Amino acid sequence: QQPVQSPQAVILREGEDAVINCSSSKALYSVHWYRQKHGEAPVFLMILLKGGEQKGHEKISASFNEKKQQSSLYLTASQLSYSGTYFCGTDTIRGRNTGKLIFGQGTTLQVKP
Amino acid sequence: EAGVTQSPTHLIKTRGQQATLRCSPISGHTSVYWYQQALGLGLQFLLWYDEGEERNRGNFPPRFSGRQFPNYSSELNVNALELEDSALYLCASLLQGGLGYGYTFGSGTRLTVV
Repeated sequence: QQPVQSPQAVILREGEDAVINCSSSKALYSVHWYRQKHGEAPVFLMILLKGGEQKGHEKISASFNEKKQQSSLYLTASQLSYSGTYFCGTDTIRGRNTGKLIFGQGTTLQVKP
Repeated sequence: EAGVTQSPTHLIKTRGQQATLRCSPISGHTSVYWYQQALGLGLQFLLWYDEGEERNRGNFPPRFSGRQFPNYSSELNVNALELEDSALYLCASLLQGGLGYGYTFGSGTRLTVV
């Protein structure tokens, strides 16, 4: 079951904040976040492994609410370089690597000057 | 450290033909993960190879197959090509970084079926 990302697209001005949500109808045991720029391969941002976990790098952070089966990606004070399509990938098997991530459909983020 | 390398970059085939895509994982990594990214369908898991064995498979027909060689490089073969097989095919290694382990993808092979 593919996780659902929202919004599908967002347009920001430099310096504005954005939140991208990833929700699943099945229990989640890990959530990956990736960013893909046009014509390039996806780039790993971070993984969250347990409920309540929050993680971040500079102005991009994420949280994982295991009970709600949901993860959110936070982009603060956005920069032009943040533009791209953001994907969440979820693993619904606890405790072992299945090698199989189920990705959301993606959220396109465009940051304008 | 060299990343994940894929070849060819682009491949154009005719419907019904076979396509062979190649991947070398990050040096020292024994696993290779294949994903398909078709327009409008996002990233879909195809195959996982580890230590020469197929460990998991996505919901793709049997004409999608592959193998992993003793040096851990991998081939993805797509037989009896159909127009909807046109997509970007990505290969990945699982890599531990500062924010956990995640997939490092190669640049991909863009397969076009005409």
